[in-house]
Amino acid sequence: SQQGEEDPQALSIQEGENATMNCSYKTSINNLQWYRQNSGRGLVHLILIRSNEREKHSGRLRVTLDTSKKSSSLLITASRAADTASYFCATDLTGYSTLTFGKGTMLLVSP
Amino acid sequence: KAGVTQTPRYLIKTRGQQVTLSCSPISGHRSVSWYQQTPGQGLQFLFEYFSETQRNKGNFPGRFSGRQFSNSRSEMNVSTLELGDSALYLCASSSRTSDGTGELFFGEGSRLTVL
Repeated sequence: SQQGEEDPQALSIQEGENATMNCSYKTSINNLQWYRQNSGRGLVHLILIRSNEREKHSGRLRVTLDTSKKSSSLLITASRAADTASYFCATDLTGYSTLTFGKGTMLLVSP
Repeated sequence: KAGVTQTPRYLIKTRGQQVTLSCSPISGHRSVSWYQQTPGQGLQFLFEYFSETQRNKGNFPGRFSGRQFSNSRSEMNVSTLELGDSALYLCASSSRTSDGTGELFFGEGSRLTVL
């Protein structure tokens, strides 16, 4: 079963709006990462947040982590059409040496 | 620095055949992971190799196998192909950090179609 579950499965917004995606997970983690995938391509790493961190920023991206609720959110501010892609959260589980991915959120940003 | 290179990018096989996919990681990266991506199941972890040793394996049948060479290049093999094996196979390399798995660098994938 998937460790991380993103919500919503799909999101459609206009350029300039903010996009928020959520991720819930089930077990203890070392870190949580967000990735982006353009259609049919490889995944690109966006940001990593460690279990002892609560918030992290990178450009127009803001990630929060709540380990008590086992959840994370990715906020993309001032969205652009070029942000159209699928976004995945991935958890680094304690005791494992690889990442477990959710099924992703498909974001469509219309001009 | 060159990125992760996967070959071939596209291939078509028929049921019962076997296929070998190749992955060259980023120079200096010793960990290579393989994932299968399908519309229905999403990204499913296949296996991970580190310094030529399989360190983790996902829940896939024995038809799926892999190996890693001394130069960290990796191959995965799928024998007796089934229609359900049609997928995008993604390889990712990483340099481990002391506090867990670091960032994964993905290749563009190998798109396998089984007819």
